[in-house]
Parts: sequence; structure tokens; C-alpha cells
Amino acid sequence: KAGVTQTPRYLIKTRGQQVTLSCSPISGHRSVSWYQQTPGQGLQFLFEYFSETQRNKGNFPGRFSGRQFSNSRSEMNVSTLELGDSALYLCASSLEGIGGYEQYFGPGTRLTVT
Amino acid sequence: ELKVEQNPLFLSMQEGKNYTIYCNYSTTSDRLYWYRQDPGKSLESLFVLLSNGAVKQEGRLMASLDTKARLSTLHITAAVHDLSATYFCAVGAGNNDMRFGAGTRLTVKP
Repeated sequence: KAGVTQTPRYLIKTRGQQVTLSCSPISGHRSVSWYQQTPGQGLQFLFEYFSETQRNKGNFPGRFSGRQFSNSRSEMNVSTLELGDSALYLCASSLEGIGGYEQYFGPGTRLTVT
Repeated sequence: ELKVEQNPLFLSMQEGKNYTIYCNYSTTSDRLYWYRQDPGKSLESLFVLLSNGAVKQEGRLMASLDTKARLSTLHITAAVHDLSATYFCAVGAGNNDMRFGAGTRLTVKP
């Protein structure tokens, strides 16, 4: 069974630009969650999508948004990039959601904002 | 607001020794996860603990959950070098949220 894939793996952007990251979950999984990992703030929950609906959102500004398509693939968008957005962005898929189900993480997208 | 505290944050062990990593959380939850992360890599799920008193073991790692004490432990038995990694606990908050601890960076020395 193929694992969670994320594209691109590495990205360099400049301040003020926007970026879109993609996540393809494990086949059959309907939930995709996104996380930001930085040395200073650690791992933080961004949002979760289930069957094309955002079920929950972490404490991030509105510049961070996402969506999920009918095939469960998900995209995350960050607009007006700031230096502090440099991070490893991880997505995770699970069968029914993070409410008690095991999550499988993708390899991550490392975003550098200059 | 749910807060998750892990300790220690750094742990240097000799091979063959035992040690325990602690994960405390501040509000009621019955879902506790342990993950492993190798440098530059993603997270690997180790254990999912869903009820009070749950205990799970895999190789040299054993995790337990005490929801009344709001405490989970990850016990390492007879550590080997391959266990060197950063270990995170995460606690379910509400139905669809998750909060992570800061991580414990474990180094096992020969």
C-alpha cells in the first residue's frame, strides 16, 4: 500500500509570495491533517479535512488555508509569506480522522522563506 | 487550553540501560499518541493509547496511559543505538485536534 506523499519536498520562496503544498493520502483514507514543525514552536496542528470539509483549525492566521478534493487529496496554501513561515509542513492521513485513529505522516515539505 | 509537557527534553543513555519518558497533559483526554522522528525525517507512529490503563509494547518500547493522572509514559528497556531519535507524545483535544509535546531527543551511546 502506497504511503502518504507530499509535493514538493523542498521549496524556497521570498517574502510576500504565496505557496501551495499538496498531500495525497493513503488510498481509502478520508482524513487529511496538516501540521507545521519549527525549531521554536515545535509541532503545531494547522487543520484537518474530512470528506472535503474542514473539521477543525488550529491557531493560525487566515493566511493559512486549505482544501480537500473529492479524491481526498489535499492542498494547503499560505499567502503573503513571512520569514516565520519557514518550516517543515507535514500532512497526515487517517481512515476516519484524528479522533482516535492512527495517523500516517508524509515525508513533509520543507519551506524556506527568504 | 490543552497543554502537553514532556520530560526530559534531552536524554543521553548508555546502551543496555532502561529509562522512562514522561508526558503530562493539562485537560481531560482519552487519546494519547507516541511518535518517533529521525533527523530530517517525518513522524512514525509508535503507539495509540485510547483508554485508561492502556499498555502497549513493541520491541524495547512500552507505552502506558493513566487518564486520571493525565500522564503517559514511554519506557525504554535495554536501549540500543537504533533507538536514538526524537520522541513526541501528542494528546487528542476535542474531537478533531491534536497537541504535541516538545519532544524528547534521545541519544543512546555505546
